[in-house]
Amino acid sequence: DAKTTQPPSMDCAEGRAANLPCNHSTISGNEYVYWYRQIHSQGPQYIIHGLKNNETNEMASLIITEDRKSSTLILPHATLRDTAVYYCIVRVARGSQGNLIFGKGTKLSVKP
Amino acid sequence: KAGVTQTPRYLIKTRGQQVTLSCSPISGHRSVSWYQQTPGQGLQFLFEYFSETQRNKGNFPGRFSGRQFSNSRSEMNVSTLELGDSALYLCASSLETGIPPLHFGNGTRLTVT
Repeated sequence: DAKTTQPPSMDCAEGRAANLPCNHSTISGNEYVYWYRQIHSQGPQYIIHGLKNNETNEMASLIITEDRKSSTLILPHATLRDTAVYYCIVRVARGSQGNLIFGKGTKLSVKP
Repeated sequence: KAGVTQTPRYLIKTRGQQVTLSCSPISGHRSVSWYQQTPGQGLQFLFEYFSETQRNKGNFPGRFSGRQFSNSRSEMNVSTLELGDSALYLCASSLETGIPPLHFGNGTRLTVT
């Protein structure tokens, strides 16, 4: 599975959009980009995933560059409850869950 | 639909004891995975079960074991506990093995003294 690079931390003002970048320059053609977040003392929470096209759900939007070497997770109106560690993971759609490598993630702090 | 349920939420044990943790997956999910999370190592994969069979195992000693029952519920056991086993143990389920996304429980916080 490809490796990802994320900034260790980011700040965002409450009510503003939070844009979390992720580099995955060695991504393979059959690997998806997944985003999870982990709020303190809770298990990781699935947010969104995509292959090539941009994706949107009730939680966030995922923008993947045309060359697929990077992506951005967008939380359109960040709230204090969005303060968490956000993990970007790339992996094939099928394959043992043992290959789900979380890395260090980005600690997002939403401030009032 | 109820999420992944892990019990107990907190556990304190002493060195040398053994412990059993329980996980109930989301209804209809047949694959269960276990992860260990520590501040230093982050999230590390322990093992994965599907249809009562272990499908994959991470790089942990044999003191760590698990099993899955016919109703997809899973347990993991750690024998001869060491101080370094103190961690948050997370269980995750998915519809079938190898098909994300994973849905995680809130974990069992194990403290070994």
